[in-house]
Amino acid sequence: GENVEQHPSTLSVQEGDSAVIKCTYSDSASNYFPWYKQELGKRPQLIIDIRSNVGEKKDQRIAVTLNKTAKHFSLHITETQPEDSAVYFCAAENDYKLSFGAGTTVTVRA
Amino acid sequence: DAGITQSPRHKVTETGTPVTLRCHQTENHRYMYWYRQDPGHGLRLIHYSYGVKDTDKGEVSDGYSVSRSKTEDFLLTLESATSSQTSVYFCATSSIQGAGELFFGEGSRLTVL
Repeated sequence: GENVEQHPSTLSVQEGDSAVIKCTYSDSASNYFPWYKQELGKRPQLIIDIRSNVGEKKDQRIAVTLNKTAKHFSLHITETQPEDSAVYFCAAENDYKLSFGAGTTVTVRA
Repeated sequence: DAGITQSPRHKVTETGTPVTLRCHQTENHRYMYWYRQDPGHGLRLIHYSYGVKDTDKGEVSDGYSVSRSKTEDFLLTLESATSSQTSVYFCATSSIQGAGELFFGEGSRLTVL
């Protein structure tokens, strides 16, 4: 099955700075890579996703990049704000199922 | 949020007892999933369903069974709970298999003593 590794496990950034989370996956057949955000005590929610025919996708302050050759993808958050504090999960689709990374706890310091 | 509700939201039980968690959706989504969330492991797929009475195993299915008799309901059963099954359980639904957005329920926190 698919194996997704996510780094770092925790990330502390100053408000206004950028945050980058990186994930690698094992199965070259994977074609869909979503990112989920989970605020404390809440359910995970999709924030952005990318498919294998695209190298980069942006949505306001967040962006995702994909390198299929190297089998890694990254989430970039610019101009971080307190409401960006949460746990972020990357995932990769394989055989019609999603495999998730272990998560990154992002803390934005005021 | 999609109309996905889980019950119970919190449960404490003893080792060896059976437990059933219920997921109910009002979105008419064909695909339903049960995940467990544990520190350091992210979200791991237990079982999933691709239609009424159609289910399959995920990566951590041992000790769990599921049933789906109606589109809107997906039940997760622990036949004989163990302490290693202490976790937060999330149900999710989607209208597309695999490469589509998952809509999660609020989660069910299960503690097995």
